[in-house]
Amino acid sequence: ETGVTQSPTHLIKTRGQQVTLRCSSQSGHNTVSWYQQALGQGPQFIFQYYREEENGRGNFPPRFSGLQFPNYSSELNVNALELDDSALYLCASSLARGQETQYFGPGTRLLVL
Amino acid sequence: GENVEQHPSTLSVQEGDSAVIKCTYSDSASNYFPWYKQELGKRPQLIIDIRSNVGEKKDQRIAVTLNKTAKHFSLHITETQPEDSAVYFCAASGNTPLVFGKGTRLSVIA
Repeated sequence: ETGVTQSPTHLIKTRGQQVTLRCSSQSGHNTVSWYQQALGQGPQFIFQYYREEENGRGNFPPRFSGLQFPNYSSELNVNALELDDSALYLCASSLARGQETQYFGPGTRLLVL
Repeated sequence: GENVEQHPSTLSVQEGDSAVIKCTYSDSASNYFPWYKQELGKRPQLIIDIRSNVGEKKDQRIAVTLNKTAKHFSLHITETQPEDSAVYFCAASGNTPLVFGKGTRLSVIA
């Protein structure tokens, strides 16, 4: 058991709505990364948070935003949902930024109708 | 930026045989190469990783080799078992966050 948890497990939204996904990092880990995994694809990096600051961002539009809290848990917010946002959203925590081993949570499966 | 190519996309082997999955990367600054196993509906789980200061690493039936000159690394699974059936992802990072390959669906036939 890696200790990374995510909520909710599943979510159905309609186009144009907004969604907030949550992640609790493994105990002692101060870095959280978020990934989008479309069906049949590898995870794609959205952004990373280190000690409450954004520490790198992938090729995703500004309607994807995030937060990290003092306890190192994190949120991913997506505004103006589009059909292509349907995917598994994974968060991963690590001891520190850089080439540290990342441990994934179970993911949130988002369906946009 | 980094680009990771993974082959093959699907692989079927008989139980007890070996399986090899290969990945190439483009950024010579990459120095960390993990492999993840993802079963259907489950989270990716780290099975082995290697850093650029070593050329090979083994953990029981699993081994990873790295050729920094050629910019490729491979996953080797020996004595495959039905429970090895899953999707395997390679990834690379260095100056960039983890970049994943598209995955290999491994089927071990009993």
